[in-house]
Amino acid sequence: DAGVIQSPRHEVTEMGQEVTLRCKPISGHDYLFWYRQTMMRGLELLIYFNNNVPIDDSGMPEDRFSAKMPNASFSTLKIQPSEPRDSAVYFCASSRLPGQGKGETQYFGPGTRLLVL
Amino acid sequence: KNEVEQSPQNLTAQEGEFITINCSYSVGISALHWLQQHPGGGIVSLFMLSSGKKKHGRLIATINIQEKHSSLHITASHPRDSAVYICAVRLVQGAQKLVFGQGTRLTINP
Repeated sequence: DAGVIQSPRHEVTEMGQEVTLRCKPISGHDYLFWYRQTMMRGLELLIYFNNNVPIDDSGMPEDRFSAKMPNASFSTLKIQPSEPRDSAVYFCASSRLPGQGKGETQYFGPGTRLLVL
Repeated sequence: KNEVEQSPQNLTAQEGEFITINCSYSVGISALHWLQQHPGGGIVSLFMLSSGKKKHGRLIATINIQEKHSSLHITASHPRDSAVYICAVRLVQGAQKLVFGQGTRLTINP
């Protein structure tokens, strides 16, 4: 399996621009997670989906952030408009349904390093 | 105060030393995860445990639910073990949300 795939790997943009981050989870996984990592706050959960349905979006900073999962193999995280404080590494992760043999290990993608100037 | 606290924040040791990283949490949990983040940024899940002890190669993870404490041990440490080790807890039974510690940066010198 190719693992969790994220694109782009790096993104540099100017304040006010729209940014779209993409994620392809591992095939057969039921859960998809979006995380943000910064030096100051470490890793934080932004939102997660179960079977394409958003379950907990309490970590989404504000209305400028939105996430969608139109099907089981694709999710996007959008920031509009972007601000310099959004600069961070954004990770996508996926996992199976709890109890199905492999348990609840989360498999992380390589991350997207975002810099907003 | 963070719900998940790790210590130490930074640890430097010589190759071959026995390493211990600690994680304490202040809330009820259903599971605890140990993650490893390589210098290149990739994150790998090492262990998920809810009781007792797990071992994988030179890595051992233990958890004491009553004391709300977990430890990650590395035996015969090697420079390739240099990474950031992150503790994360799952707060509610059946929920998938993880809360993370700030991480411990481990450097093993040859």
